[in-house]
Amino acid sequence: GAVVSQHPSRVICKSGTSVKIECRSLDFQATTMFWYRQFPKQSLMLMATSNEGSKATYEQGVEKDKFLINHASLTLSTLTVTSAHPEDSSFYICSVLDNYGYTFGSGTRLTVV
Amino acid sequence: EDKVVQSPLSLVVHEGDTVTLNCSYEVTNFRSLLWYKQEKKAPTFLFMLTSSGIEKKSGRLSSILDKKELFSILNITATQTGDSAVYLCAALLSGTYKYIFGTGTRLKVLA
Repeated sequence: GAVVSQHPSRVICKSGTSVKIECRSLDFQATTMFWYRQFPKQSLMLMATSNEGSKATYEQGVEKDKFLINHASLTLSTLTVTSAHPEDSSFYICSVLDNYGYTFGSGTRLTVV
Repeated sequence: EDKVVQSPLSLVVHEGDTVTLNCSYEVTNFRSLLWYKQEKKAPTFLFMLTSSGIEKKSGRLSSILDKKELFSILNITATQTGDSAVYLCAALLSGTYKYIFGTGTRLKVLA
């Protein structure tokens, strides 16, 4: 499967600031990437489907103005958490859908203080 | 390099069979191992294992972790067609809190 690199692995930011998380597909041209939130001992919650060259598709209940997704190239999708609040603190994980299935990034732990 | 390897990559069984899925890991700063079931886009959480030798059960599913041999197994007894899915395991690292996912085992249960 694809090799997926997610950066940063951990970030602490102040309330009200914005944070950008990158998801790179290193060896596969990914037209579709997915962004999830992971709470402890819970299922991954799909936030949005990132489509290269077009707008992301957001799941119900996910604020698209707060979680900005940009998929400008076949190897990079970014998730920007805007005006972060402490309740946005979570793990954010991306995945790439390749010819074999889903390959997951290593996740980003966001802490908003 | 941290890695998680799952086997087999795919498996086809008949309803009623028992299956054992394997997950081995080589990671630094291991914290926990997680199992997920993925049928659609988002994996569903099954188990989180932190201690060695303690079996966790949920209905027909059970899992155990061996921290000495660095592996975990997921057992499914009396399989049903609804068990057909990709089963993922992931190692959660302490310190960095990274998740290292395996490639998954694709299980198909035939009626």
